[in-house]
Formats: sequence, C-alpha cells, structure tokens
Amino acid sequence: NAGVMQNPRHLVRRRGQEARLRCSPMKGHSHVYWYRQLPEEGLKFMVYLQKENIIDESGMPKERFSAEFPKEGPSILRIQQVVRGDSAAYFCASSTGQGTSYGYTFGSGTRLTVV
Amino acid sequence: AQTVTQSQPEMSVQEAETVTLSCTYDTSESDYYLFWYKQPPSRQMILVIRQEAYKQQNATENRFSVNFQKAAKSFSLKISDSQLGDAAMYFCAYRSGNAGNNRKLIWGLGTSLAVNP
Repeated sequence: NAGVMQNPRHLVRRRGQEARLRCSPMKGHSHVYWYRQLPEEGLKFMVYLQKENIIDESGMPKERFSAEFPKEGPSILRIQQVVRGDSAAYFCASSTGQGTSYGYTFGSGTRLTVV
Repeated sequence: AQTVTQSQPEMSVQEAETVTLSCTYDTSESDYYLFWYKQPPSRQMILVIRQEAYKQQNATENRFSVNFQKAAKSFSLKISDSQLGDAAMYFCAYRSGNAGNNRKLIWGLGTSLAVNP
C-alpha cells in the first residue's frame, strides 16, 4: 500500500499560470480532503470530496480555485491565474469515511511557489 | 465555531528528558476527537496520537501520552525519553464527532520542538 501520493512534490509557476496538484488516495479510501499550509501557520481546510462529489468546499477561495475527484484517477486541485499569495504547501488526506474516529492519512504535500 | 490554540511556538528538550506540549480548544460539542500530528522537515504529516472525547482514559502510544482534561478543554502531549528524531513541528487538531459534519480537521498553529543532544 503506497499511502497517499501527491505530485508534484514541488511546483513553480509564474504569476498568471495555472497550477494542477494531484492526489491519489490510499487504496480503498474514497474520501479526500485538501488542506493548505501557509508559511509558519497550521493547516487550513479547503475542500472535502468523495468520488464524483464535492461535499464541502467552504474553505476554498471563491475564485480561481477548483477541485475534483473523478470516478477514475486522482483528485485534482486546480488553481487558475496563480498569484504570489497562493505560494504554500498543499496537503491531501484520505480516509475510508466509514464512521472513522481516526485521523487521516496524509500525503507529503505539494509545495507551490509562485514567482 | 471550534478553535484550537497552541500557546508555545517553540520548545526545546534535552535528549532522554520529558517535555510537555500544550493545546487548548474551544467547542460547544460533547462528541469530538483530538489529535496530535508531527511534521518533520520532510513535511510528511504523521499521526502521533488520538483521543476520543467520550473516553476518560488518557491515550498512550509508546513514549507519547496525552493529558486530556475535558472540562478544562485541554489536551497536552507528553513525550518521554525524548529522542533526536522527535524534533519536528507538532500540531494539535480537533474533529467534530457529529456525523452531520464533514469530519474536517481544525488545527492549531503548531509548536516547534527542538531536541538537544
């Protein structure tokens, strides 16, 4: 079991470009969470998805950010027209969602740098 | 809304000694879960220990234990026999036990722990 896989590990984008971050959950996990960690801060919830459904996107900025978790393939966090303030580490976590009391399994994150 | 507060931005401990990291939280819920995560320089977020609010017994995982004071809304982490590999950022996190919520984690700002040889 490879755990939660996030790629790329590092991503550099120029202002105005698009960033696509990928997350493959653990085998058997159908629930995915995205968190953002700004420098010197804790993680902030962004979005919670199940296969083909967005359950809660209350933490997502209203513009430029979108997320999906298709029936096949990884979950994608997409940031359009990136700005310097988007520079952060983006973490994905997955769970079975079966009434779990456990924390989640996290990926190693994608560090996005906007230049 | 729930909040999590870690009042110690930085802590240090001598190798083999014991250190306690503080965490307080605010909630009106009675059913919830609390977690401590470790984030080493590799950035991987690693679950250290978890506590169910309905359990009075404090959780223990090898050298890691918690002091859970529900009435005081306090959830401190004790690391015994500290090792160099324990050096990391430690985050306290809260999760609602309400099935109607989405189970998202609410995080403190973290405590950076240095272990001195």
